[in-house]
Amino acid sequence: EPEVTQTPSHQVTQMGQEVILRCVPISNHLYFYWYRQILGQKVEFLVSFYNNEISEKSEIFDDQFSVERPDGSNFTLKIRSTKLEDSAMYFCASSEREGFEAFFGQGTRLTVV
Amino acid sequence: SQKIEQNSEALNIQEGKTATLTCNYTNYSPAYLQWYRQDPGRGPVFLLLIRENEKEKRKERLKVTFDTTLKQSLFHITASQPADSATYLCALEVSGDSWGKLQFGAGTQVVVTP
Repeated sequence: EPEVTQTPSHQVTQMGQEVILRCVPISNHLYFYWYRQILGQKVEFLVSFYNNEISEKSEIFDDQFSVERPDGSNFTLKIRSTKLEDSAMYFCASSEREGFEAFFGQGTRLTVV
Repeated sequence: SQKIEQNSEALNIQEGKTATLTCNYTNYSPAYLQWYRQDPGRGPVFLLLIRENEKEKRKERLKVTFDTTLKQSLFHITASQPADSATYLCALEVSGDSWGKLQFGAGTQVVVTP
């Protein structure tokens, strides 16, 4: 069964460093998303991406965040100058079309120390 | 923005019984509503999607209803099994507002005991 894959599963980084979280969405999907979940809290929307551009972003997704689809398969989230409060699980998701179910990856646990 | 409310207390249920979870929302009615399962340290797993013009959807032992008048969805797990123990998340999206932005509830933990 097709699945969304994310790497790495766990990343520890020092405050102020840049991190890149990687995702391979399901191959025939056109819509891509990043969500995050701080420990013990709700899953929160960060950004949606369609047709090689950002469709919508939340207030969380400020200038320190960026997304890219560098080739036909990968979808990345870059966090510049990480802060302690960026520590969370980051989930990539994809869907075939708008209005269809979203499939989530297993997440990258980011720990900023 | 939308406020989504799910039972905050864990639902403890005996194997074989039906678990019923509630998702209430406060503002605009979504074009559709989704239910996900989440296990500790794992990503949400899609279960069911119900659209605003549908009253009920079923998949195996799962059933979801959607009442736009009450602004409520109910999620049922029939003949529950210990393997159904997990947190169940309700998620809403409004078409025309965004391309796939889902707003999640906090989830309800279900514990099924043998």
